Amino acid sequence: SQKIEQNSEALNIQEGKTATLTCNYTNYSPAYLQWYRQDPGRGPVFLLLIRENEKEKRKERLKVTFDTTLKQSLFHITASQPADSATYLCALDGTGRRALTFGSGTRLQVQP
Amino acid sequence: DAGVIQSPRHEVTEMGQEVTLRCKPISGHDYLFWYRQTMMRGLELLIYFNNNVPIDDSGMPEDRFSAKMPNASFSTLKIQPSEPRDSAVYFCASSRRGQGAYEQYFGPGTRLTVT
Repeated sequence: SQKIEQNSEALNIQEGKTATLTCNYTNYSPAYLQWYRQDPGRGPVFLLLIRENEKEKRKERLKVTFDTTLKQSLFHITASQPADSATYLCALDGTGRRALTFGSGTRLQVQP
Repeated sequence: DAGVIQSPRHEVTEMGQEVTLRCKPISGHDYLFWYRQTMMRGLELLIYFNNNVPIDDSGMPEDRFSAKMPNASFSTLKIQPSEPRDSAVYFCASSRRGQGAYEQYFGPGTRLTVT
């Protein structure tokens, strides 16, 4: 069956360090993968999209990698700040291309 | 732009009552999605529309759930009759048409509590 796995345990890091979050998937052949940020009591906010033929994508302090052989995406936040504390969700396109399936998310806590 | 607008933000109702959730997508967006989020099951896609036409409703849990999009600027998700297990946060999201425009913009959600 199709599965998207994100580390359910919270990730705690010190301010200024690089946070690395993992998204693994099975039985998918996604054309693209997306990362979203969700703060408590709010809807998810789109951060980055990476396509199957792209290895890496960057946006300011964010970097995403996509390895379709390993079926894994890594999401990095460099020079992390307490304001980066949130839950981060990865999402894959489904058979309908527009339909997204979300992972359960990883909560990041950046300590000052 | 005001973003995706959802109402009400909170809804408390008794089991057996009808519940209607509302959504206004971002102007110009052709796709509209309804999701449900719970601690146990995470964020699940219920149904999505393209140009007001339902494309995939395979995520709708039961016949008690129905969704409509009468025009490009309004959609409803109705639960009738509601049950305690329907308690969740319901999100509406929209996205643009066009190749590569796959990111989705979410509303603030409606927190539904069925007692």
